[in-house]
Amino acid sequence: QKEVEQDPGPLSVPEGAIVSLNCTYSNSAFQYFMWYRQYSRKGPELLMYTYSSGNKEDGRFTAQVDKSSKYISLFIRDSQPSDSATYLCAMMDDKIIFGKGTRLHILP
Amino acid sequence: NAGVTQTPKFQVLKTGQSMTLQCAQDMNHEYMSWYRQDPGMGLRLIHYSVGAGITDQGEVPNGYNVSRSTTEDFPLRLLSAAPSQTSVYFCASSGGMNTEAFFGQGTRLTVV
Repeated sequence: QKEVEQDPGPLSVPEGAIVSLNCTYSNSAFQYFMWYRQYSRKGPELLMYTYSSGNKEDGRFTAQVDKSSKYISLFIRDSQPSDSATYLCAMMDDKIIFGKGTRLHILP
Repeated sequence: NAGVTQTPKFQVLKTGQSMTLQCAQDMNHEYMSWYRQDPGMGLRLIHYSVGAGITDQGEVPNGYNVSRSTTEDFPLRLLSAAPSQTSVYFCASSGGMNTEAFFGQGTRLTVV
């Protein structure tokens, strides 16, 4: 079992919908959880990070961590075509391990 | 601010050739890492370093060497390039555990 599991998609949703992206993990040592967004032919860029279980909100984005279930989520409200990208979850102990990424398409 | 700089941006190698991918950061970060990204495989960790003089293997280290003689630089060496090493390579740096990582723009490597 890989340390971090993420459904690669693709996930297509209409503009304005709420998007839910998820990852599961197996290593209970992970303390720091991140979501990166990657546009085609670009490097990943950090969207959100959180230390602990619970929710963290930033504009249209909400990151959720449930350590007891080893499950993290990213919610995007009022999705826009510009949100179309690959979203990677990542987790850190002394190194950062990434999920495979989920390709998201927002349909105008 | 330069951030994380990778060179070259593109490279074509013949099988058996060696080369070094350069990575430099100007943020005085202790942690640096190399990843490769292949379709459907996500970002896979090749090697990482938690400080100058310290390196360790990641998930897919075979065929690659690294060294960390300075805080700023973390070069990745391909010893004898193989077509299986055709990929996009990303270098990342972070200030330490539990801090965000910043990525370079990637090096697209093709081995023929």
